[in-house]
Formats: sequence, structure tokens, C-alpha cells
Amino acid sequence: AQSVTQLGSHVSVSEGALVLLRCNYSSSVPPYLFWYVQYPNQGLQLLLKYTSAATLVKGINGFEAEFKKSETSFHLTKPSAHMSDAAEYFCAQNFYSSASKIIFGSGTRLSIRP
Amino acid sequence: SQTIHQWPATLVQPVGSPLSLECTVEGTSNPNLYWYRQAAGRGLQLLFYSVGIGQISSEVPQNLSASRPQDRQFILSSKKLLLSDSGFYLCAWRGQKNTEAFFGQGTRLTVV
Repeated sequence: AQSVTQLGSHVSVSEGALVLLRCNYSSSVPPYLFWYVQYPNQGLQLLLKYTSAATLVKGINGFEAEFKKSETSFHLTKPSAHMSDAAEYFCAQNFYSSASKIIFGSGTRLSIRP
Repeated sequence: SQTIHQWPATLVQPVGSPLSLECTVEGTSNPNLYWYRQAAGRGLQLLFYSVGIGQISSEVPQNLSASRPQDRQFILSSKKLLLSDSGFYLCAWRGQKNTEAFFGQGTRLTVV
């Protein structure tokens, strides 16, 4: 079965430190992969996406992610955390077909320490 | 440009009462539509998705149902709410030429 696994339900880093949020996918063929961010009581906003072009994808707010087929991973990173990065982050996958379902990971809550 | 509207933003309903949450999309045709539920401290659970008018796929057996009476309208319903139906409900759409989904602002449902 297709699934997305996010390691760590809660990650805490200091302001200015590296942010690393982990995501692994499970499918027989490489899917399209996404990272979304959710601020409290709001919908989800797309941070970045991988659609089989460049394996290193740059997104908004200084985030980037690298697709590694050998590791079935799509980890999200940011070199220097900012207080405004505190939010919930979701990794998701789908396949480009008209009947495709979008499957989400369980989410990682990112906290930033002053 | 495309926009998605979801309402109401918050809702408090007694156990056993009916539910109707509505989601509409503007600026696109024949989108895929999705309902997700996010329980407190948990991830997003796909409840229903639709690839066209009247076509509904249910992902999880439950007390809820969905309908798509028009191309850009997606409705989540229940005849009798349970306490366990409380949560944050999100509607999303994906266009035929899009890879990603776009989300509404969500409805916070509290069943009391």
C-alpha cells in the first residue's frame, strides 16, 4: 500500500539553526511529492513540490527538499530557522491520474526556540 | 485565478444533530475534490474524493457522507453527529493540469 511516513511528530530547533524534517514514501513507482505548511486553525499552504524534474526542489520561505530515490526520501530543510517557521508541516504524495488520491503523512510540528 | 470557499469556519453542534458543510471552487472546471479530517494532534485523514459530478469515493467507513451536486460544489453531510466527529475539516481541489492540491481554510467542528 502507498504511504507517507514522517519521522518525528515534534521537532524543536533554536532560532538560526538548521531545520530538518524527514519524510519517506512507499510506492512501487516514484510519486509526485509535496510539502505543505499549516498555521493554527488555517488550511494548508504548498511549500514546494517534486514532479520528476530536478531532484533538489526550492520552495517558499527559504525551504528546500531533495528527492532521493535510493532512500525513498524527500526530507525538508532550511539552513536557518526563523521564529515565523513555527507551524505544522505535512509531507504528501500523489500520482498524476484523474483518479489519484493525495495521501498525507501524519505531520511534524516544528517549534522554534529563541 | 482559482479560489476555494469553505464554510462555516466554526460550528458547534449537539450530538445527534445533522451536519452540512459546503465547499465551492471558482475559476476551474472539472476539478478533483477532496474532504479531509484532521483530529486533534493527528494528521490528515482522507474521507472522500470525487473526480466528477455524482462520483464519490469513500475512504473510511464512518458516520459521514459526501455529495457533488454540481461540478464545483462538494458537500459533507451527516444525519446524526457523534462526539467522535469533532475535528477540523478541510476541503481541497486539484485541477486536471495540476499535480498539487489547494486547500480551503477549514471548518472547526465541535460536537457537544
